[in-house]
Amino acid sequence: GAVVSQHPSRVICKSGTSVKIECRSLDFQATTMFWYRQFPKQSLMLMATSNEGSKATYEQGVEKDKFLINHASLTLSTLTVTSAHPEDSSFYICSANVFTGLFNEQFFGPGTRLTVL
Amino acid sequence: AQKITQTQPGMFVQEKEAVTLDCTYDTSDQSYGLFWYKQPSSGEMIFLIYQGSYDEQNATEGRYSLNFQKARKSANLVISASQLGDSAMYFCAMREFFYGGSQGNLIFGKGTKLSVKP
Repeated sequence: GAVVSQHPSRVICKSGTSVKIECRSLDFQATTMFWYRQFPKQSLMLMATSNEGSKATYEQGVEKDKFLINHASLTLSTLTVTSAHPEDSSFYICSANVFTGLFNEQFFGPGTRLTVL
Repeated sequence: AQKITQTQPGMFVQEKEAVTLDCTYDTSDQSYGLFWYKQPSSGEMIFLIYQGSYDEQNATEGRYSLNFQKARKSANLVISASQLGDSAMYFCAMREFFYGGSQGNLIFGKGTKLSVKP
């Protein structure tokens, strides 16, 4: 199946710093990628849809200036958490759709665990 | 209103036995897809099985089968012959397919934590 990678897998930073998370589709091109956030023992919540060459579409309640998304190429989307605070500590997961011939299967990256001290 | 409901926060099953994880969904669309994902403690989301709303047969993938009851809007996951490695969070999800070919986002339930006992 299609492979989606994320880097870094884990990051610990001080409050007030910015953190960039990369999401790459390794063996396919992804015009659309998705960014999710998952708090402990909770479900995945969609933050935004990242569109190659255009602005991301954010879900209601997600701060655009806080979570900057850039989809510069067909294989790379980045999420930058600006001026991170402890409440931003979470598990961030990206994904991309691949049409398998029957349906759009969504492949997920391994996730990035962010801890803000 | 919740689109995907998983009523079992946690489930226990004895190794080698079968277990059913419940999922009900809410949509007014006629065309949609239902998915089950497994999330082990490492965090990665692993796709397990898919059921299209127009599929007449219940989907099966190895030890996984989906008990699709369209009239009741339920899509329960059945895992046969449970193994210790099946211990994980399981998420039910739905994607709505709109007229013209566009698709909605994947919507997840809250998940069920399955623990397999030796």
